[in-house]
Amino acid sequence: AQSVTQLGSHVSVSEGALVLLRCNYSSSVPPYLFWYVQYPNQGLQLLLKYTSAATLVKGINGFEAEFKKSETSFHLTKPSAHMSDAAEYFCAVPSNRLAFGKGNQVVVIP
Amino acid sequence: NAGVTQTPKFQVLKTGQSMTLQCAQDMNHNSMYWYRQDPGMGLRLIYYSASEGTTDKGEVPNGYNVSRLNKREFSLRLESAAPSQTSVYFCASSKPRDSDYTFGSGTRLTVV
Repeated sequence: AQSVTQLGSHVSVSEGALVLLRCNYSSSVPPYLFWYVQYPNQGLQLLLKYTSAATLVKGINGFEAEFKKSETSFHLTKPSAHMSDAAEYFCAVPSNRLAFGKGNQVVVIP
Repeated sequence: NAGVTQTPKFQVLKTGQSMTLQCAQDMNHNSMYWYRQDPGMGLRLIYYSASEGTTDKGEVPNGYNVSRLNKREFSLRLESAAPSQTSVYFCASSKPRDSDYTFGSGTRLTVV
């Protein structure tokens, strides 16, 4: 079954700095890959979705992710962090159901 | 508004009590899911239902039962709540071929 790995449970980034969250999938090329964001005490919101139509996927709030088959990766980036980006971020892959990584808690330092 | 509706939003139970978490979707999705979210663990699948009339265990099914009442509704039951079941529970539904998932807003359950 497909799975995804997210390293580094807590990520601190300075306001204005690059946000980079890493996600690697386990095996064969998946048809879809997702990044979700969860703001404090809220539900899950879809940030972006890879569908094989394009390897660079743009999402909401200035985030984007690049699918790299050679690296089995789907890392999430944002060029300049904002205080409002403080949240938990999950990578996920369909595998009979949606399998989630353990998440990255992003803290933005003023 | 179309989406996944979960009730209740908050619940406090005493150890040994039972309760049912309700979930309903109005998007005509075939598949529905129950996840629990715990700090540092991500979201883990409890049970899922690929279609009306079928249910299957996920990663952490112990202590839970589910019912797929019809295409719209998928309930999660705790027969005898334990403190280890303190968690945030999310219901979700999906389109065919796993292309889109919609999540409910969650139920925050505390077992004391």
